[in-house]
Parts: sequence; structure tokens; C-alpha cells
Amino acid sequence: QQQVKQSPQSLIVQKGGISIINCAYENTAFDYFPWYQQFPGKGPALLIAIRPDVSEKKEGRFTISFNKSAKQFSLHIMDSQPGDSATYFCAASHSGNTPLVFGKGTRLSVIA
Amino acid sequence: GAVVSQHPSRVICKSGTSVKIECRSLDFQATTMFWYRQFPKQSLMLMATSNEGSKATYEQGVEKDKFLINHASLTLSTLTVTSAHPEDSSFYICSALARSYEQYFGPGTRLTVT
Repeated sequence: QQQVKQSPQSLIVQKGGISIINCAYENTAFDYFPWYQQFPGKGPALLIAIRPDVSEKKEGRFTISFNKSAKQFSLHIMDSQPGDSATYFCAASHSGNTPLVFGKGTRLSVIA
Repeated sequence: GAVVSQHPSRVICKSGTSVKIECRSLDFQATTMFWYRQFPKQSLMLMATSNEGSKATYEQGVEKDKFLINHASLTLSTLTVTSAHPEDSSFYICSALARSYEQYFGPGTRLTVT
């Protein structure tokens, strides 16, 4: 049973456009929702994270939108750049010290 | 801040030998670290949770006698792949819990067993 479903599997966006990746979760006990960026051959890097007490969090060009009632959250990358081309993983956890449950990842390609 | 290192970054070993991978939190103490395995173009698969001073908790299907985990200090956890075989070839990544909820990942170790 996949607890965090991520879509799309791959995404191609024009330079300067908005990249949108969506995730849905099932476990209502989840209370922490991070996004990670991974380049080939590297470990994932924490990009941005949100707790359920807010509906949106913005850091630079990256924004998380969170819908608690729908059990969905999404990552928006504004003004997408070729350097943003990577695999993005959403994740979820609860209780502060439990392992993250990852989505299957989205391969983003930003083309000029 | 919140930097996690792994050593080695790449290792090639012969079938039947053992390999040790180190995971260090460089600028913070981590009572909890996690070990993951990642196959090409796939997501991260949790192998075990490592708590400082206690035995690791392994996920279902992960052989604890094959993947030995030791979390001897607040900044170091090690994963030893014993009697490695070609099917153990993979990308192994550790993460460390910097503070409540926030996990930071190491750069990964590419293991190739010939």
C-alpha cells in the first residue's frame, strides 16, 4: 500500500514556466511534509517543508500548497530554470522522529 | 549547517567480501539516523532506523545479519554489508535527524559487487 502518491512521474517545462508536482497521502497522522531535490548520483537535498497548521509556505521560487481536508500537497517552482532539472520527491512523516515515507518521485526537465 | 557526509562515495568489492559505509553528521548531533537503498530511477527504500546506543530497527525483508548497523556515537553510524553479492550492488544513502522532523541526507555511496 503506497501511503504517498506522487504525480506526474515526469514533467517537461519551458524555461521561465511554472513546474507543479502533486502528492496525496492517506495516513491522517502525518504532520510533516517535506520536498527533496535529487540530482543524479547525489543524495536528496531538503528543499522546503510544511506542517499542517499552514496552507502555504514560500521560500524563494519554491512554494508548498497544502490542503488538509483533501490530504494533498503540492510543490510549485516559479520561473523554472534548466538548473532545476532534477528528480523531486515528496515525503511525509509523523511524531518528529519516524522515518519519512516517500513518493515515487518526479523527473523534472526544464528546457530552454 | 545540517551537513551529512558519507564515506566512501564509491566502492567496488569482490563477491563474498564485506564493505563498511560510514555516515557522519558534521555540524550537529543525531540520536537517530536512517539507512536507505535506492535503485536506478526509483524512490528511496528504507532499510533500517539507527538509534545511538541501541540496536537498529530493520524494515521487513531486510536481513539484519547481512546489513549490520552500528550507531556508536551521536555523529556516526555505520552500515556493513557482509558477504556482499552482485545483487547487493546499489546506491546506499543515510540520513540524520537534525532536530524534530528535519532529516538531512548524505551524498550516497555507490556499491558495486563484482
